Amino acid sequence: AQSVAQPEDQVNVAEGNPLTVKCTYSVSGNPYLFWYVQYPNRGLQFLLKYITGDNLVKGSYGFEAEFNKSQTSFHLKKPSALVSDSALYFCAVSVTNTGTASKLTFGTGTRLQVTL
Amino acid sequence: DTEVTQTPKHLVMGMTNKKSLKCEQHMGHRAMYWYKQKAKKPPELMFVYSYEKLSINESVPSRFSPECPNSSLLNLHLHALQPEDSALYLCASSQGGYNEQFFGPGTRLTVL
Repeated sequence: AQSVAQPEDQVNVAEGNPLTVKCTYSVSGNPYLFWYVQYPNRGLQFLLKYITGDNLVKGSYGFEAEFNKSQTSFHLKKPSALVSDSALYFCAVSVTNTGTASKLTFGTGTRLQVTL
Repeated sequence: DTEVTQTPKHLVMGMTNKKSLKCEQHMGHRAMYWYKQKAKKPPELMFVYSYEKLSINESVPSRFSPECPNSSLLNLHLHALQPEDSALYLCASSQGGYNEQFFGPGTRLTVL
């Protein structure tokens, strides 16, 4: 069975400092990995994905993620955090491809708190 | 238009009521999804429609009944719900394959 793990319930960082939100995965076959962000009482917003190719993936709002096959990790990073980045972040893996549809399995989420 | 819309935003219903949640997208996506999300938890997949046909039902109780009238619309019919069904219900759509899913803002459902 495919799964993702987010080992940190919360990450605290000061504004202007770099941030990392960790994600590790377990899949059989090629991993298809995603990061989403959720603000309070809102739906999920897509940040970036890794399908194949370059291990460093750039996404929305200055976020990037590094795919590491040997460590089975897909950590989310940003060089300089903003207070407005404070939100709940989910890592996800696409586990099946039933025709046109894919099935996402989410990690438990990491709350990012950025303070002044 | 890269938006998924959901109505209503909030819904309060009794355990004997019948109500429906609606979802709409105009991105030409052929896959549409319903998720249930409890507070501070990840979304849990409920149903997947592919080309307007139900392709995945994650063993959801029959008091939840999905419907896909056309390629742009997805409904979730609710009947005889329980208080534990109170949650944020999210709709999503995608082009399929390993493309990202686009999520709507959700409907906050409270069952009294």
